[in-house]
Amino acid sequence: GQNIDQPTEMTATEGAIVQINCTYQTSGFNGLFWYQQHAGEAPTFLSYNVLDGLEEKGRFSSFLSRSKGYSYLLLKELQMKDSASYLCAVRDQTGANNLFFGTGTRLTVIP
Amino acid sequence: DAGVIQSPRHEVTEMGQEVTLRCKPISGHDYLFWYRQTMMRGLELLIYFNNNVPIDDSGMPEDRFSAKMPNASFSTLKIQPSEPRDSAVYFCASSPTGLVQPQHFGDGTRLSIL
Repeated sequence: GQNIDQPTEMTATEGAIVQINCTYQTSGFNGLFWYQQHAGEAPTFLSYNVLDGLEEKGRFSSFLSRSKGYSYLLLKELQMKDSASYLCAVRDQTGANNLFFGTGTRLTVIP
Repeated sequence: DAGVIQSPRHEVTEMGQEVTLRCKPISGHDYLFWYRQTMMRGLELLIYFNNNVPIDDSGMPEDRFSAKMPNASFSTLKIQPSEPRDSAVYFCASSPTGLVQPQHFGDGTRLSIL
């Protein structure tokens, strides 16, 4: 089976740094994705990790440790527009593109 | 470039009625996915297609749900008969083949069954 855990909610201050954690237990592993979803909108792709380590993309970075079944999304220089849900998703080992999503972390950025 | 297009954006209907949701994937994408999103269960995969062929429908809740992909540019998700517990946001997503290729989501259909 697939089990993906994220905190339900987080609050952070504008300009600060926030780390959103994701742990997973899946029958196989072939990559981990992070998506951003604003309220009432579609999820949009943020980052992808398949090897251990840190991937940096501007203000956003994502880290993966396969041995620990752990990932985090790091958001720097928070802006009000970063208030959204952040979804962690794992692709299984079949090589197909289907993803298993966590329930998401709702981030609120306050002034 | 046009993204994934879903219709309708909103649907309100009475229980027992048939509901049909539509999706046009991004041209050239050979994978198409149907998801359901609720507050309680998050984003759940219902079914996905590869080159118009259903590959895994294990997420379809029951026989009331069916999905088709008659050609590379169109897919439908049908619920018959609909029930109030089917109320959710239904997303369609598509992706090309490739390990690093992310899924691109449509804007979703917000379905309310009264």
